[in-house]
Amino acid sequence: DSGVTQTPKHLITATGQRVTLRCSPRSGDLSVYWYQQSLDQGLQFLIQYYNGEERAKGNILERFSAQQFPDLHSELNLSSLELGDSALYFCASSVGIGTSTDTQYFGPGTRLTVL
Amino acid sequence: AQSVTQLGSHVSVSEGALVLLRCNYSSSVPPYLFWYVQYPNQGLQLLLKYTSAATLVKGINGFEAEFKKSETSFHLTKPSAHMSDAAEYFCAVSVPGASDTGRRALTFGSGTRLQVQP
Repeated sequence: DSGVTQTPKHLITATGQRVTLRCSPRSGDLSVYWYQQSLDQGLQFLIQYYNGEERAKGNILERFSAQQFPDLHSELNLSSLELGDSALYFCASSVGIGTSTDTQYFGPGTRLTVL
Repeated sequence: AQSVTQLGSHVSVSEGALVLLRCNYSSSVPPYLFWYVQYPNQGLQLLLKYTSAATLVKGINGFEAEFKKSETSFHLTKPSAHMSDAAEYFCAVSVPGASDTGRRALTFGSGTRLQVQP
């Protein structure tokens, strides 16, 4: 158990819908990262937040957005869902902003299925 | 931009045999390198990481990896495979962010599925 929690574990929805994935980082960690794992794209970085502020952006679609709240939990919002958005979405957390001493600890993931 | 190539999407070894999972990286700046393991229906767990200290890195579960700058490689090895090692293994790289010295997201390889035969 990494200490990172993600809810829900599974999510099944229809095309065009909007969903919210939630992540609680390990106690004391200030950074939260979101990754998408799909069969065709592999593991891809989406976005990073550090202490409430966006710090880095990867291959995140405009239909996707995220935020980190004052209690440091984070939410990833996916809208206008398409079949291709079906994937495993991981959240990871680390203590700092990303230095040599930082290790990213991954949650168990949320499996999103878009029908 | 940095990238990681893992040679061999599937590797099969016998129990007790040497495990060798290959990873080559591309980076214009000194990278940090990582190996993660993913067991079925679970998240990723860090096995080991290289952050510019000793080039031979020892990790959990008897795994180790050697950073070879001349070969741009970071291969993962274990002397004797156990059935419990069957999983998917990901090599990843991180490099300094553009705006400050902090390192950002991980760039992952495509993964290698390790099978261990009895």
